[in-house]
Amino acid sequence: AQKVTQAQTEISVVEKEDVTLDCVYETRDTTYYLFWYKQPPSGELVFLIRRNSFDEQNEISGRYSWNFQKSTSSFNFTITASQVVDSAVYFCALSGDMKTSYDKVIFGPGTSLSVIP
Amino acid sequence: SAVISQKPSRDICQRGTSLTIQCQVDSQVTMMFWYRQQPGQSLTLIATANQGSEATYESGFVIDKFPISRPNLTFSTLTVSNMSPEDSSIYLCSVAPSGGTDTQYFGPGTRLTVL
Repeated sequence: AQKVTQAQTEISVVEKEDVTLDCVYETRDTTYYLFWYKQPPSGELVFLIRRNSFDEQNEISGRYSWNFQKSTSSFNFTITASQVVDSAVYFCALSGDMKTSYDKVIFGPGTSLSVIP
Repeated sequence: SAVISQKPSRDICQRGTSLTIQCQVDSQVTMMFWYRQQPGQSLTLIATANQGSEATYESGFVIDKFPISRPNLTFSTLTVSNMSPEDSSIYLCSVAPSGGTDTQYFGPGTRLTVL
């Protein structure tokens, strides 16, 4: 069965600090996809990144970076120099690769990040 | 990506009534999804709605409680029937523009409170 664990329920940091959000996943699929979404207080889910299981290169996008390690089944997300606007709930998600139909996305429980000015 | 809108954005309803939530996409998509997010919880998939076929419901969700329509490739509705306070949640629709294992993009959600 597929599962996503985000052990950090809530994190508080002071503005400009770096913060890493952990994500550990379980799957038996050899091909799978990992995602991060941001949910600000407004409620909308904002897509941040998608990674497939064959691409272990780390990704950087501005202040955001992602570290994918298959050996530890982790897909961690780091925000550098955090800002108040980063305050949100962040979800890590996983989907498999069913060749003939859609494979549903499994969401982790989320990590609530508060950035204090 | 896709631009998705939902109506209503929020509503307060009485127990025993029904509410229909609309989801509109700015482009044609094969696969649309409906999720429920209970307060302080993660997202749970209710059903997958493909145009031209019956919606596929996840375990724990039934058509009588959550009937779904998908009349064309840009629109879907979810009805929450015979509501109870336990139905108070955010309901989100999402689309996978290229189908398959494509990224899902989400609408802004509908915040439902049932009194």
